[in-house]
Amino acid sequence: AQSVSQHNHHVILSEAASLELGCNYSYGGTVNLFWYVQYPGQHLQLLLKYFSGDPLVKGIKGFEAEFIKSKFSFNLRKPSVQWSDTAEYFCAVGGEDSSASKIIFGSGTRLSIRP
Amino acid sequence: KAGVTQTPRYLIKTRGQQVTLSCSPISGHRSVSWYQQTPGQGLQFLFEYFSETQRNKGNFPGRFSGRQFSNSRSEMNVSTLELGDSALYLCASSRIPGGHEQYFGPGTRLTVT
Repeated sequence: AQSVSQHNHHVILSEAASLELGCNYSYGGTVNLFWYVQYPGQHLQLLLKYFSGDPLVKGIKGFEAEFIKSKFSFNLRKPSVQWSDTAEYFCAVGGEDSSASKIIFGSGTRLSIRP
Repeated sequence: KAGVTQTPRYLIKTRGQQVTLSCSPISGHRSVSWYQQTPGQGLQFLFEYFSETQRNKGNFPGRFSGRQFSNSRSEMNVSTLELGDSALYLCASSRIPGGHEQYFGPGTRLTVT
């Protein structure tokens, strides 16, 4: 069955710490991968996406993610977090056509940054 | 450029009632998708509309329905509300069908008592 797993439900870090949020998926065929962020009281917005090419993808606000096909993973990283990164992060995977109906979202990881 | 708007933002209904939620996409966007977000479940796909046609529907009961108007605005309706329908309902718009470049609205928080 197609699924997305975000094993860390809640991550607490201090400012300047490095961040890595895990995302593993089970999905047949060619995949498109996404990370979304939802800041407190704000809309869900796209952080970065991978469709093809360089498996290391850079997104907004200093975030990056690496697609490792052999591990079915698309982990999100940031070398030094800020208090303003406090938010909920969602990993999502879709098929090649990225029909909205075929995009599966993970259950989210809540990130809390201590000032 | 105005973002996706959803009305109302908050709604409290009782079991058995019905509810209609509205979504206005970004100007020029003709595709609208709806998602249900509940704690621990992430986002679950409800519908996708393009040019007034429903392209896809998620695995939800027939009590959930929707439509899209000629101006691309979309509504979703839930009849005979159940407690389990309490959730944040998100609308996302894009220029063309598909999830490549979806822009999400703030959501409608529905509470069923």
